Amino acid sequence: EAEVAQSPRYKITEKSQAVAFWCDPISGHATLYWYRQILGQGPELLVQFQDESVVDDSQLPKDRFSAERLKGVDSTLKIQPAELGDSAMYLCASSSTTLNTGELFFGEGSRLTVL
Amino acid sequence: AQSVTQPDIHITVSEGASLELRCNYSYGATPYLFWYVQSPGQGLQLLLKYFSGDTLVQGIKGFEAEFKRSQSSFNLRKPSVHWSDAAEYFCAVGSMEYGNKLVFGAGTILRVKS
Repeated sequence: EAEVAQSPRYKITEKSQAVAFWCDPISGHATLYWYRQILGQGPELLVQFQDESVVDDSQLPKDRFSAERLKGVDSTLKIQPAELGDSAMYLCASSSTTLNTGELFFGEGSRLTVL
Repeated sequence: AQSVTQPDIHITVSEGASLELRCNYSYGATPYLFWYVQSPGQGLQLLLKYFSGDTLVQGIKGFEAEFKRSQSSFNLRKPSVHWSDAAEYFCAVGSMEYGNKLVFGAGTILRVKS
């Protein structure tokens, strides 16, 4: 069964360091999402891509976060510099605009701990 | 603004007992509604979804949910809970009008006691 792949699964870093997360969506899924889930809360959308274009990044802290999807397939989310409050699970999801069922398929997530 | 409310942070039920998890939403467009489940340290797995039609939808693992437009609710139910159902459950709402991105509730942690 096709899955959304994410790496690394776990990342521990010190504040002010740079960190990057990678996501490979389900093949053929044009829409890709990055969500942040703080412990004890629901996921919150950071950025949405349609192919290689950003559709919504209104909740992305652009002073330190960046996201790209250069060829419209895999994507990278970067944080520089990391802050203590960035400790969270970063979830990638993808969906098919062809089928347009509205369903998002999630990866296992990348757990970030900032010390 | 779109929002989803899950009023119960924690729920504890006995194994074999019935379960209902509450979800209310506020949305300015025709909503799609979802329930996802998350085990500790894992991603989210879709349990069921509602787009249109029959307001009672069946999902995996014996779960069902009923969409009640008049109450803006989409409560999740299961007639008999198993110990393996212990997890965190998230209700989410989306729509084509808002680009299919989902807005999630804060989640309900289900504990199952034997």
